[in-house]
Amino acid sequence: GNSVTQMEGPVTLSEEAFLTINCTYTATGYPSLFWYVQYPGEGLQLLLKATKADDKGSNKGFEATYRKETTSFHLEKGSVQVSDSAVYFCALRIGGADGLTFGKGTHLIIQP
Amino acid sequence: EPEVTQTPSHQVTQMGQEVILRCVPISNHLYFYWYRQILGQKVEFLVSFYNNEISEKSEIFDDQFSVERPDGSNFTLKIRSTKLEDSAMYFCASSDGRGPTTVTVKQETQYFGPGTRLLVL
Repeated sequence: GNSVTQMEGPVTLSEEAFLTINCTYTATGYPSLFWYVQYPGEGLQLLLKATKADDKGSNKGFEATYRKETTSFHLEKGSVQVSDSAVYFCALRIGGADGLTFGKGTHLIIQP
Repeated sequence: EPEVTQTPSHQVTQMGQEVILRCVPISNHLYFYWYRQILGQKVEFLVSFYNNEISEKSEIFDDQFSVERPDGSNFTLKIRSTKLEDSAMYFCASSDGRGPTTVTVKQETQYFGPGTRLLVL
């Protein structure tokens, strides 16, 4: 079956630190990969996505590269801000399927 | 910016009761979804709805569950005879659904609501 594994949280960093949140996947087909973010009291928002190997998704200073050889889609940001504090979800979608398969989410806390 | 809304934000019910969770998708979207997240676990796909019928459902979506688009704006999830294990956060989502091909439709971004937290006692 399809599954997504991401690092457990909470992850606590100081402002301006470098961020990596690991995500690896198992898929029966050739998935599209996503990072969603959930700010307190809000719904899941698409942060970035990549639909084929070696694609890099980027948004708001965040980046993730689709690595087929390592089945990974790690999220990175060079300098985090307090406003980046949220829960981050890695997800995949197999072509032809409606539903997204999510990881458990990683709670990120940025301290000033 | 258009957004998906859900009501209520919190719902407490007794085991065995029926609950209806409501969602208002983005107004021109045609594809609708329900997901749930049991506390501490993954967000799980329940069902998708397109062209007034269920498009896809997961193993979780058994006869206890039903979905409906009762009018032009609402999309509901009904849980009959709730069980303790139905306690979870339920997310509604919608996507455009008007892509030129089935492939492009299924690649569209899903926009999520803030969720309804259901507690079954």
